[in-house]
Amino acid sequence: AQTVTQSQPEMSVQEAETVTLSCTYDTSESDYYLFWYKQPPSRQMILVIRQEAYKQQNATENRFSVNFQKAAKSFSLKISDSQLGDAAMYFCAYGTQGGSEKLVFGKGTKLTVNP
Amino acid sequence: DTGVSQNPRHKITKRGQNVTFRCDPISEHNRLYWYRQTLGQGPEFLTYFQNEAQLEKSRLLSDRFSAERPKGSFSTLEIQRTEQGDSAMYLCASSFLIGQGVFTEAFFGQGTRLTVV
Repeated sequence: AQTVTQSQPEMSVQEAETVTLSCTYDTSESDYYLFWYKQPPSRQMILVIRQEAYKQQNATENRFSVNFQKAAKSFSLKISDSQLGDAAMYFCAYGTQGGSEKLVFGKGTKLTVNP
Repeated sequence: DTGVSQNPRHKITKRGQNVTFRCDPISEHNRLYWYRQTLGQGPEFLTYFQNEAQLEKSRLLSDRFSAERPKGSFSTLEIQRTEQGDSAMYLCASSFLIGQGVFTEAFFGQGTRLTVV
């Protein structure tokens, strides 16, 4: 069975600084998808960034980028120029068959952004 | 279309009562998923539908849990004879087939928070 591990229960960063959230996963599949979801307090979970395992190039979305190391089964999220609105729970997730099927989530990392 | 809608947002029930939650996915999304999220944990997959067909229900936590999507649009999740351990956030998500077995990412609703007293 696939597992996703987020080893940082909490992280904090100063506004405008850069922070990296860690995620490792375990799978025997060769074709899969990885995601970072953001869950603000009392708000719905929204997708931050998505990576297809067959793509070697790391995904980027504006201030968000990933470091995908397939051999090491590592998928970290880097947030540059952190903003107060980035404060939230961040979940790393693993999916197969087209990306959204039966996602397996980590326990999450609570990110605090200090002004 | 304002996204995935879940009702009610909060539900408090007495142990032993039955509860039903509703999820309205984004229109035209043919995949619908139910997850459960307990405090301090990430969401845990429960079941999912392709249109009206329930493709997997083995992850439902017990036979007290059941889900339906009768016309391939909205879905309901029912918990019978609730127990205190059922207290959690129940999340619904939907996605759309964009071609050759590839789906969009899952779009989540705000969830229904269940408290069993």
